[in-house]
Amino acid sequence: QKEVEQNSGPLSVPEGAIASLNCTYSDRGSQSFFWYRQYSGKSPELIMFIYSNGDKEDGRFTAQLNKASQYVSLLIRDSQPSDSATYLCAVTGSSNTGKLIFGQGTTLQVKP
Amino acid sequence: DAGVIQSPRHEVTEMGQEVTLRCKPISGHNSLFWYRQTMMRGLELLIYFNNNVPIDDSGMPEDRFSAKMPNASFSTLKIQPSEPRDSAVYFCASRWTSGSSYNEQFFGPGTRLTVL
Repeated sequence: QKEVEQNSGPLSVPEGAIASLNCTYSDRGSQSFFWYRQYSGKSPELIMFIYSNGDKEDGRFTAQLNKASQYVSLLIRDSQPSDSATYLCAVTGSSNTGKLIFGQGTTLQVKP
Repeated sequence: DAGVIQSPRHEVTEMGQEVTLRCKPISGHNSLFWYRQTMMRGLELLIYFNNNVPIDDSGMPEDRFSAKMPNASFSTLKIQPSEPRDSAVYFCASRWTSGSSYNEQFFGPGTRLTVL
């Protein structure tokens, strides 16, 4: 079992729709959770982080965390073609050394 | 701020040659990370340093790979000898590590390595 799992996609949504990206992790002691966006040929950039169970909103983005289910998600409201990218879920291990474990990423395509 | 700087941006070499990748972290950051990204394996952490000291090198594939951080503003990742399966994009990232709080990890632009 991979430590951090994501559906590779591609996930295709029409412009203006809600895109829902999901991630599960295996280390129950993980404490911090991150979503990175990576455009083709570019480096990853942080868009959201969440530490506590529940929802965290930032503009059109909402991160959701459920530690009991070992599940974290990212919702993108009013999706735009510029949101088309690969979204990487990353998790710190229970040792909390700062080491990030990344999922394979989900490719999102927003069609005009 | 210049961000994380990596060089070269592209490297094409032949199997068996030595390859050295370079990274300059963001000034003031005390943690540095080397990652490798391929389609098959995704983004993998190779090694990371705190205050110039290697903390975890469990991701280094084999003895052909080595990394150094002689000072707070410079790190190298060396592959000797290189093999075609080393072809990938290598990212360097840095952040400020302080106690138990987490601060954003900033990635450099990457080095695209092709080993023929």
